[in-house]
Amino acid sequence: GDSVTQMEGPVTLSEEAFLTINCTYTATGYPSLFWYVQYPGEGLQLLLKATKADDKGSNKGFEATYRKETTSFHLEKGSVQVSDSAVYFCALSNYGQNFVFGPGTRLSVLP
Amino acid sequence: GAGVSQSPSNKVTEKGKDVELRCDPISGHTALYWYRQRLGQGLEFLIYFQGNSAPDKSGLPSDRFSAERTGESVSTLTIQRTQQEDSAVYLCASRPTGTGSWTDTQYFGPGTRLTVL
Repeated sequence: GDSVTQMEGPVTLSEEAFLTINCTYTATGYPSLFWYVQYPGEGLQLLLKATKADDKGSNKGFEATYRKETTSFHLEKGSVQVSDSAVYFCALSNYGQNFVFGPGTRLSVLP
Repeated sequence: GAGVSQSPSNKVTEKGKDVELRCDPISGHTALYWYRQRLGQGLEFLIYFQGNSAPDKSGLPSDRFSAERTGESVSTLTIQRTQQEDSAVYLCASRPTGTGSWTDTQYFGPGTRLTVL
């Protein structure tokens, strides 16, 4: 079945450091790919998404590019802030029906 | 308009009791999902409703778990004879349907934190 693999956390960075959170997937068909973020004490929010190969999703300084050849959707940000501390979930959806989430990666940004 | 709402926000119950969790999806969203999130872990799919189609119950962990949805409105998740391992945050999400890539995004509620003593 479909699956999503994310890098193990927690990830701890200093403010203004470069962030990469790796995500790879296994899926039949041509899934849409998502990054969701869960801030402390809050529900999941969509951060960005991409629906076809080579699409780049971006939001709040975060970016991820849909790489079909490597089945990856790595999340990047050039300069993280303390307020980016959260849990990040990579997810896929095939035809908008079933959604599969990765286990989440906890990011802590220190001032 | 309003987002997905869930109630109660917190529920503490004793082992063996039944609990009902409620989800109000975004108006007009035909698809509704329930997930479980144990402490420090990822999302575990439970059940999926799509319009008037038969729900996808493949994620329900046991027959103590059931869910209902009337039409395209409120859904309730019921856990009977609760066990301590049922303690988790239960998340509901809804999704619009139709054509177009905007329909494949889920919108999550804040969750219900269930604690079974």
